[in-house]
Amino acid sequence: NAGVTQTPKFQVLKTGQSMTLQCAQDMNHNSMYWYRQDPGMGLRLIYYSASEGTTDKGEVPNGYNVSRLNKREFSLRLESAAPSQTSVYFCASSEGGNKIVYTFGSGTRLTVV
Amino acid sequence: GDSVTQMEGPVTLSEEAFLTINCTYTATGYPSLFWYVQYPGEGLQLLLKATKADDKGSNKGFEATYRKETTSFHLEKGSVQVSDSAVYFCAPLSGGSYIPTFGRGTSLIVHP
Repeated sequence: NAGVTQTPKFQVLKTGQSMTLQCAQDMNHNSMYWYRQDPGMGLRLIYYSASEGTTDKGEVPNGYNVSRLNKREFSLRLESAAPSQTSVYFCASSEGGNKIVYTFGSGTRLTVV
Repeated sequence: GDSVTQMEGPVTLSEEAFLTINCTYTATGYPSLFWYVQYPGEGLQLLLKATKADDKGSNKGFEATYRKETTSFHLEKGSVQVSDSAVYFCAPLSGGSYIPTFGRGTSLIVHP
């Protein structure tokens, strides 16, 4: 089925470790996004890529980096994980421009101990 | 920037009850309005949308009407089912912006 695929689904890290969350979409969407979801906080935008070759900071970018590897893939990297980064991470994509209906992946549940 | 206020949950109902989840927003210009739903263990998915004043979005028995005068987009369903148990997010999108603002979500629990 077409959609947004995130890997891994679950991950436990120790404080200070690094890791990369992977996201790929097969809908030929131009724009891709990374969100984190925390209890009582809703969704908060970390980074987004309006089109291939561009990335921009969202609401909560500190501690994260992103790479838009190609049109399909948009990865999120934690260079030195902290307990405050324990969260559920969602990748989403859209056609971009004024076609702004999002398609979300099923999420990565990350725990930093 | 845009902001959105949703009623706090959880909202707990019996099957076949009437549902209202309130959403009010502040946004510039004439925003488009969306409701997304998140079922347990899944990502969000679009439930319905409305792009101009007085439009009614509808899907799966859910409805919401774009009320510009009250800056509201309340979600309603006449008869909920257990399978409607999920978290519902209201999301306005201002004109000229391509990134919606998501509310904090309202959890709905429907008992048989």
